[in-house]
Amino acid sequence: GENVEQHPSTLSVQEGDSAVIKCTYSDSASNYFPWYKQELGKRPQLIIDIRSNVGEKKDQRIAVTLNKTAKHFSLHITETQPEDSAVYFCAASIYNFNKFYFGSGTKLNVKP
Amino acid sequence: ETGVTQTPRHLVMGMTNKKSLKCEQHLGHNAMYWYKQSAKKPLELMFVYSLEERVENNSVPSRFSPECPNSSHLFLHLHTLQPEDSALYLCASSQAQGLNEQFFGPGTRLTVL
Repeated sequence: GENVEQHPSTLSVQEGDSAVIKCTYSDSASNYFPWYKQELGKRPQLIIDIRSNVGEKKDQRIAVTLNKTAKHFSLHITETQPEDSAVYFCAASIYNFNKFYFGSGTKLNVKP
Repeated sequence: ETGVTQTPRHLVMGMTNKKSLKCEQHLGHNAMYWYKQSAKKPLELMFVYSLEERVENNSVPSRFSPECPNSSHLFLHLHTLQPEDSALYLCASSQAQGLNEQFFGPGTRLTVL
């Protein structure tokens, strides 16, 4: 089955700096890669996703890049703000198959 | 509210008890999921129902028994649990076909004494 690894497990940045979270996956059939943000005591919520036919996707301060050959994808957050502090999960899935494999999460702390 | 609700939000039970977790989605989805979230562990997929049929059971112990009576409701029946089963249990829903964006419920915080 699919194995998703996520690094780092914790990340502390100064407000205004950039944050990068990286994930690798093992199953070359995976073609859908969502990122979820989970604030303390709240449910995970989708913040951005990318399909394997795209190399990069941006949404305001958030971007995701995908390298299919190397089987890794990354989340980039620019101009970080304290409200970005949360746990971020990457996941890999096969389009049209209802199986999601999540990374272990990255706790991001943005210091004001 | 994201349209996925879970009850109860908190549950404390003994190892000999039987209880059930309930999930309901109001998004018109036709796939539903149970996840277990433990401290410092990835979200673990437990069960998937697509079009009301179970399509995934990731070797979950038989003390967890899912039920999906229709596309809007999902249950997780619990019996003779162990303390290590204490965790946050999250329900999610999505469309069965196409882009499978998942919407999560708020979770049930389960403590097994």
